[in-house]
Amino acid sequence: AQKVTQAQTEISVVEKEDVTLDCVYETRDTTYYLFWYKQPPSGELVFLIRRNSFDEQNEISGRYSWNFQKSTSSFNFTITASQVVDSAVYFCALFKAAGNKLTFGGGTRVLVKP
Amino acid sequence: DTEVTQTPKHLVMGMTNKKSLKCEQHMGHRAMYWYKQKAKKPPELMFVYSYEKLSINESVPSRFSPECPNSSLLNLHLHALQPEDSALYLCASSLPGQMNTEAFFGQGTRLTVV
Repeated sequence: AQKVTQAQTEISVVEKEDVTLDCVYETRDTTYYLFWYKQPPSGELVFLIRRNSFDEQNEISGRYSWNFQKSTSSFNFTITASQVVDSAVYFCALFKAAGNKLTFGGGTRVLVKP
Repeated sequence: DTEVTQTPKHLVMGMTNKKSLKCEQHMGHRAMYWYKQKAKKPPELMFVYSYEKLSINESVPSRFSPECPNSSLLNLHLHALQPEDSALYLCASSLPGQMNTEAFFGQGTRLTVV
């Protein structure tokens, strides 16, 4: 069975601070994909980043960066120099090709104060 | 066009009503999904259609009836719902069976059952 755990339920920061969101996953699959999605108050889930299980290279994309550690089954996500518009709920998700199933973590609410 | 369009955005219905939620995409995606999201919870998968055929039903009650009339459209027919069915219903689409692609989500239909 697949499971995604986001231990932080809510994080509050002041604008320009960095925010790191934790994600730990469980799967028996050797091939899988991990995602981060952002859900603003409007409700739409917005794709942010994707990483496959064979590529542990960590990258930076604008103000977003991620740290994928397969040895610890973690896929953490960092927002650098946070802005008020970053306030949203962030979901980590694990994709299993068989059945096209996307399993979400519980979500972390990020509140960026001006 | 990278949009998934859901209608209506809001719906209030009585427990004896019959209504339908609609979802449309023109990205050529052949996998389409219905998710249910309760307040402060992650999305939960309900149904998956792959090439217009139902491939996953996550033990959803029969008062929810999905339909995929063609590769661009996905409907969710609602009948005799209960107040606890009130939630945000999200539609998504993706390339089926391929992990190296993200799912695109619509803005959802906020359903209230009275």
